[in-house]
Amino acid sequence: AQRVTQPEKLLSVFKGAPVELKCNYSYSGSPELFWYVQYSRQRLQLLLRHISRESIKGFTADLNKGETSFHLKKPFAQEEDSAMYYCALGPGYNKLIFGAGTRLAVHP
Amino acid sequence: KAGVTQTPRYLIKTRGQQVTLSCSPISGHRSVSWYQQTPGQGLQFLFEYFSETQRNKGNFPGRFSGRQFSNSRSEMNVSTLELGDSALYLCASSLKGAGLLMNTEAFFGQGTRLTVV
Repeated sequence: AQRVTQPEKLLSVFKGAPVELKCNYSYSGSPELFWYVQYSRQRLQLLLRHISRESIKGFTADLNKGETSFHLKKPFAQEEDSAMYYCALGPGYNKLIFGAGTRLAVHP
Repeated sequence: KAGVTQTPRYLIKTRGQQVTLSCSPISGHRSVSWYQQTPGQGLQFLFEYFSETQRNKGNFPGRFSGRQFSNSRSEMNVSTLELGDSALYLCASSLKGAGLLMNTEAFFGQGTRLTVV
């Protein structure tokens, strides 16, 4: 089965604290994994993808095939990071399977 | 460069009616995907079109259909509307027609919020 699990609906942290948004996936082949973000009143947009191995806005995510995880991390959260974060699996042909999403709230 | 444009933004329909939603992709993008977003089920893939061909379909009943035109614009149609079809429908366009086991970056529209009463 192709599935993405984000166990936390809400993650609440203070500014400057480390952040880790969890994502686990179920997929039989070699996965393509993504993190999409939706800021308030904005469109859903790509934050990062595992194959590019980039750090975007201070966020990183490492694919762990053994644990079937793709957790999103940032060492020091900023208030502007408050948003809805979706982990997604891309099995091909531009199809995305999304997790339920985690709302990150960063408090001053 | 203009983003993905979806029309209309809001729609109210009665049970049993049908509805057509429109999506204009970013210029040059040839792949268009559709998603349904509801509070209960989250974001679910409906289908994807590339060069006027449906290449991939999600697990939705046949009442949900779509098409893509030669200019890459896409429409999706829902017939015999049910209350459970109330949702935000998102369209996403991608530059390339990714192949098997590949995805390219998806650019999303603002969505069409459909309410069925």
